[in-house]
Amino acid sequence: KAGVTQTPRYLIKTRGQQVTLSCSPISGHRSVSWYQQTPGQGLQFLFEYFSETQRNKGNFPGRFSGRQFSNSRSEMNVSTLELGDSALYLCASSPPGTGRDEQFFGPGTRLTVL
Amino acid sequence: AQTVTQSQPEMSVQEAETVTLSCTYDTSESDYYLFWYKQPPSRQMILVIRQEAYKQQNATENRFSVNFQKAAKSFSLKISDSQLGDAAMYFCASLGDGGATNKLIFGTGTLLAVQP
Repeated sequence: KAGVTQTPRYLIKTRGQQVTLSCSPISGHRSVSWYQQTPGQGLQFLFEYFSETQRNKGNFPGRFSGRQFSNSRSEMNVSTLELGDSALYLCASSPPGTGRDEQFFGPGTRLTVL
Repeated sequence: AQTVTQSQPEMSVQEAETVTLSCTYDTSESDYYLFWYKQPPSRQMILVIRQEAYKQQNATENRFSVNFQKAAKSFSLKISDSQLGDAAMYFCASLGDGGATNKLIFGTGTLLAVQP
């Protein structure tokens, strides 16, 4: 079974631009969660989507948004990029159900904002 | 709010020796889940071990085991017979919201070095 894939793997943007990151979960998984990892703030939960609905949201500004498609693929969008948005963005998928199941992480997208 | 604390930013162990990584947590939930994740230099997060709070028995996965002290809200990871491939950042995490969603709350991590 193919693992979680994230595209692109690396991205360089300038302040004020917007960016869209993509995550394809493991086949059959319906939950996709997004995390931001930075040296200063560590790993922080952004949001979770389950069956195309946002099920939970972390404490991030409205510039961060996401969506999930009917095939469970998910995208996250960051508008009006700031230098502080430079981070590794990880997504994780899990089978139907709750966090009692293992979450499988993708390799991440490294976003650099100049 | 749930919190997870890892007080050891860095640890070092000799190959074949045993090392214990510490983690404490705070939660008001009665039913919750705790995890240890490994993040090697490739940055791919890998689940090492999972503990369900209602289970008294400590979880074990091959060379990895936990010491779960529910009353003390402590969840340490023991790595036996350490191998060079164990070198990585280790994150302790709890499942927030009573397991109703997949929101993981992570500690700040412990960077483990394995000396040959």
